[in-house]
Amino acid sequence: ETGVTQSPTHLIKTRGQQVTLRCSSQSGHNTVSWYQQALGQGPQFIFQYYREEENGRGNFPPRFSGLQFPNYSSELNVNALELDDSALYLCASTLGTATDTQYFGPGTRLTVL
Amino acid sequence: QQQVKQSPQSLIVQKGGIPIINCAYENTAFDYFPWYQQFPGKGPALLIAIRPDVSEKKEGRFTISFNKSAKQFSLHIMDSQPGDSATYFCAASRGGKLIFGQGTTLQVKP
Repeated sequence: ETGVTQSPTHLIKTRGQQVTLRCSSQSGHNTVSWYQQALGQGPQFIFQYYREEENGRGNFPPRFSGLQFPNYSSELNVNALELDDSALYLCASTLGTATDTQYFGPGTRLTVL
Repeated sequence: QQQVKQSPQSLIVQKGGIPIINCAYENTAFDYFPWYQQFPGKGPALLIAIRPDVSEKKEGRFTISFNKSAKQFSLHIMDSQPGDSATYFCAASRGGKLIFGQGTTLQVKP
C-alpha cells in the first residue's frame, strides 16, 4: 500500500452534473497529480498541484479543475459531465515537483450515464 | 500526439518464461522512465525505473533495458509466475508529469 487514499471508490452521475473527487496524499508528500484512465488505456495526466498552486496541466478542458489544501490533500472537480468522462480517476503523490517517483492511490471509478 | 508507444498489447507466457514488453518514446527531454504494474480494481504500482544515463537496471526478477540512441526501453520479467499476471505500463517523465503507454496485459499460465 502506498498510503495514498481516494474517495469515493465508485460514483455514478448523469450527464451535465458536477462531481468532486478527493485524495489524501502519502504523509510528507506536498505534490499531487491527477490522472484519468479510460477503460483499456493508460492513465492520462490531468494536472499537478504543488503547495496549493497548479503546476502544469495536460490536455483537458477548463471544466476539469482542482484544489490542494494546506494539509496537501486534494480535490478534482469536473463540471458539466459528459459520457466520455466515465473513467478511473487516479491521484498520485510525491515529494516536490522535481521528484519523479509517484505513488498512486486506488482510484475512483466514475460512471456517467 | 502520442509520445510513448507500447507493445505488444497482450502477451501470454508459460510459468518460468521471460515476457518482454517494449516501449518507444519521441521526446528526448524525458529523463525518467518507470514501469508500473496494475491489477484489476487497483491503482498502478511502481515496479522499477531507469534514468537515460544507464543502459540496464535490475531489481529482483525485473530488468529494464534502455537504448537512448534508439529512444526505446523494455521490461523483462525473469522466471515469470502466475501472480505476475497483470497489466504493465511504461511511462516517461520530465518534471514529474508522467506520460504513459497504452499498456500490456500479461497472462502467465501455470
